Amino acid sequence: AQRVTQPEKLLSVFKGAPVELKCNYSYSGSPELFWYVQYSRQRLQLLLRHISRESIKGFTADLNKGETSFHLKKPFAQEEDSAMYYCALATDSWGKLQFGAGTQVVVTP
Amino acid sequence: DTAVSQTPKYLVTQMGNDKSIKCEQNLGHDTMYWYKQDSKKFLKIMFSYNNKELIINETVPNRFSPKSPDKAHLNLHINSLELGDSAVYFCASSQGANQPQHFGDGTRLSIL
Repeated sequence: AQRVTQPEKLLSVFKGAPVELKCNYSYSGSPELFWYVQYSRQRLQLLLRHISRESIKGFTADLNKGETSFHLKKPFAQEEDSAMYYCALATDSWGKLQFGAGTQVVVTP
Repeated sequence: DTAVSQTPKYLVTQMGNDKSIKCEQNLGHDTMYWYKQDSKKFLKIMFSYNNKELIINETVPNRFSPKSPDKAHLNLHINSLELGDSAVYFCASSQGANQPQHFGDGTRLSIL
């Protein structure tokens, strides 16, 4: 069965410190992975997708098929990065997204 | 404003009532989705339509009935509301499968 695991419910970091949000997936096919972010009182929005291999707002994520992971990283956290982050896996040709449980990131000054 | 818009934003109603949530997207997308976010913030897909046709139907009670009058609209009707239906419901759309999904602001449904 397909599954997305985000082991950390809450991640509290200091401003300027590195932050890494873990995401592991279980899927027998070729995975399409995404990171979505929900800032306070805003809608859920796409942050990154693995296929584009870009950096958005200083965040990067690398797909590691050997470890079945798609961890999200940022070298220097900012207060505006405080938000709920969801890792998501597209599991069929219709784009059905399976979300992880989410990680709440709190960046303190 | 190009976006996915849902109405209402908040819905407070009593157990046993029937209610509808509307969703419209003006992004020209051909695929629309409904998600449920529970009190622990866990997001789970409920339904998806592609060009007005149902393509994803997760294990959802048949009290929930989606309706897509055209590809820009996907409404969600819920009959005989139960306490467990309290959640935030998100509508989303995408241009084809596996493309980034654009989400609405959510509808917070509270059952008294």
